[in-house]
Amino acid sequence: SAVISQKPSRDICQRGTSLTIQCQVDSQVTMMFWYRQQPGQSLTLIATANQGSEATYESGFVIDKFPISRPNLTFSTLTVSNMSPEDSSIYLCSVGRLSYEQYFGPGTRLTVT
Amino acid sequence: KQEVTQIPAALSVPEGENLVLNCSFTDSAIYNLQWFRQDPGKGLTSLLLIQSSQREQTSGRLNASLDKSSGRSTLYIAASQPGDSATYLCAVTSNTGNQFYFGTGTSLTVIP
Repeated sequence: SAVISQKPSRDICQRGTSLTIQCQVDSQVTMMFWYRQQPGQSLTLIATANQGSEATYESGFVIDKFPISRPNLTFSTLTVSNMSPEDSSIYLCSVGRLSYEQYFGPGTRLTVT
Repeated sequence: KQEVTQIPAALSVPEGENLVLNCSFTDSAIYNLQWFRQDPGKGLTSLLLIQSSQREQTSGRLNASLDKSSGRSTLYIAASQPGDSATYLCAVTSNTGNQFYFGTGTSLTVIP
C-alpha cells in the first residue's frame, strides 16, 4: 500500500484566482494521477503526472487550466488556474502500485465563490 | 469508450443483512477491477482488487467476484454493520494500464 497526504484539505477561493494542491507519498512511485470529483458525481481522471516530463492530460483537460508538476517520485502538485464556480470539486491524487492497484489521498475540497 | 455502471444508486438495509452491490462495464478488455469505499467528503479506500484472470477475491466480510466475459462484478457484504455506511465505487483499468474508469457509485446506509 501507500500513505498519501494532500494539502490543503479544503479551501474556499474567489473566482479568477489560482490554487495549488500538493500531494506527497511516503515512498517512491512511478505512477501518480490527479482526479476531479464534482458534486454528486464519480471520479474523472484529469491527468497522469510524469516525473521529469510534461503531464499527460485526458480529453477535456488542458495544461493552461490545470498545470501539473512532478519534480520527483514522491511529490506532485496540481494547480487549478483562473477558477470559476464550476471548478468547485474534490480533487484527489492517487498512485498506482503493482498490477495498477490504485491508492488515493484524502482529497482536497475546493469551493469557488 | 468504456462505461461503468453501478446498480442500485442507493441502498438502505437493516443491520445484520447480507447485501450485494453490482458493477457492470461495457468493454471486457480490462486489466483489473477494483472496489473502493468513500466516506462523505473523503478520499477513496481500496477494498479489493481482482485481476482479469481471477474470479473472486475475499477480505473479511467482503467478497468480490468478476465475470469478465459478461462485463460484471459484484461486491458481497456479509452481516452488514452501521460502520459499512458509505459510497462504494468500482473502477476498471484498461488493458494498456493507463486508463481508469469509475462507476457512479452505490450509496449504502446500514440502519442500526
